[in-house]
Amino acid sequence: GAGVSQSPSNKVTEKGKDVELRCDPISGHTALYWYRQSLGQGLEFLIYFQGNSAPDKSGLPSDRFSAERTGGSVSTLTIQRTQQEDSAVYLCASSLAGQGVAGELFFGEGSRLTVL
Amino acid sequence: AQKITQTQPGMFVQEKEAVTLDCTYDTSDPSYGLFWYKQPSSGEMIFLIYQGSYDQQNATEGRYSLNFQKARKSANLVISASQLGDSAMYFCAMREVSYGQNFVFGPGTRLSVLP
Repeated sequence: GAGVSQSPSNKVTEKGKDVELRCDPISGHTALYWYRQSLGQGLEFLIYFQGNSAPDKSGLPSDRFSAERTGGSVSTLTIQRTQQEDSAVYLCASSLAGQGVAGELFFGEGSRLTVL
Repeated sequence: AQKITQTQPGMFVQEKEAVTLDCTYDTSDPSYGLFWYKQPSSGEMIFLIYQGSYDQQNATEGRYSLNFQKARKSANLVISASQLGDSAMYFCAMREVSYGQNFVFGPGTRLSVLP
């Protein structure tokens, strides 16, 4: 498809389990972002990848959260030992590089995580 | 300190009237971009409008315009001729070059358009 693709769209898991969320950005977009949105809240920045540069991990809330981006394309966000407070929608977005501060983010439809 | 402030958690507007959604920002970077996104109840994030810090004119996109007041560090979104389909959450966001082009979002304003 032409847009940002995220999977799964919905994930229900038990507390303490690990989960992996996948993001496939728009082809050619070198910048990739992960955000978390709790119910009725704003977007909380988690991590940002730009090309081959070291990612900006400053938003990851704890060491249970990690993300990688393979081959400059697909990214996986992993949450280990999930807690109930991890329940949220996880949004992935991508954008073109080389546009300075311009260039909007294109968002996927999100992965809704529910931790029981 | 909050980089993006949206002081209106909720707003109501009558259909066909104009509405202004407030956004103020905080940066010392001379080069930055300001964005507005719409998030309807379906959850998708829809890009509306962009304003660059060096742009001389206010941005406009159809019924959307951005009232950019650089000295006051405000970037208010104006929606003209509101429609029922405009009911949604609206997020103001900023990208600063000096912060690795990180995109920071405000807390959002929920707009309800009344028939």
